[in-house]
Amino acid sequence: AQSVSQHNHHVILSEAASLELGCNYSYGGTVNLFWYVQYPGQHLQLLLKYFSGDPLVKGIKGFEAEFIKSKFSFNLRKPSVQWSDTAEYFCAVALLAGANNLFFGTGTRLTVIP
Amino acid sequence: ETGVTQSPTHLIKTRGQQVTLRCSSQSGHNTVSWYQQALGQGPQFIFQYYREEENGRGNFPPRFSGLQFPNYSSELNVNALELDDSALYLCASSRGGETQYFGPGTRLLVL
Repeated sequence: AQSVSQHNHHVILSEAASLELGCNYSYGGTVNLFWYVQYPGQHLQLLLKYFSGDPLVKGIKGFEAEFIKSKFSFNLRKPSVQWSDTAEYFCAVALLAGANNLFFGTGTRLTVIP
Repeated sequence: ETGVTQSPTHLIKTRGQQVTLRCSSQSGHNTVSWYQQALGQGPQFIFQYYREEENGRGNFPPRFSGLQFPNYSSELNVNALELDDSALYLCASSRGGETQYFGPGTRLLVL
């Protein structure tokens, strides 16, 4: 069965620290990859996505992610976090075969300390 | 703001009751997907509707059913509610298989 793993459940960083959140998926076919963010009290928002092309994708608010096909990974990075980045981050995978529904990881809670 | 709206925002029901949740998709989107997000978990796919027909289903029992209307809005119906159905129910709209945009969700509590 397809699965998405986010190994970091809760990450606590000080402002200006660098961030890397891991995401691995188990599916051998072609996939589209996403990172969604859920700020406290708000709905899920798209942070960035990878469909094809350059494996290093840039999203909103200075976030970027790198798709490494050989490792089935799509890690999220930000060089310098801000207090306003405090949120829950979800990695998601869509299989190009079938309904194109999203498989989500369990999420990583990021707390940024001012 | 994505343009996807959901109603109601909160709902309290008792076991055995039935519930209907509603979703209006973003303008130009013809596909609606429903997800269940339990506390502390990522969203789980329930089903998807494309052009008024079910276009895929996750691992949810038949008492979870849905509809899509000609204007592409959608309903999620859950019969015979169980305590474990307590969750945030998310609707996402898209243009076919393109990026899905989520609504704010309906928080359902089953007592």
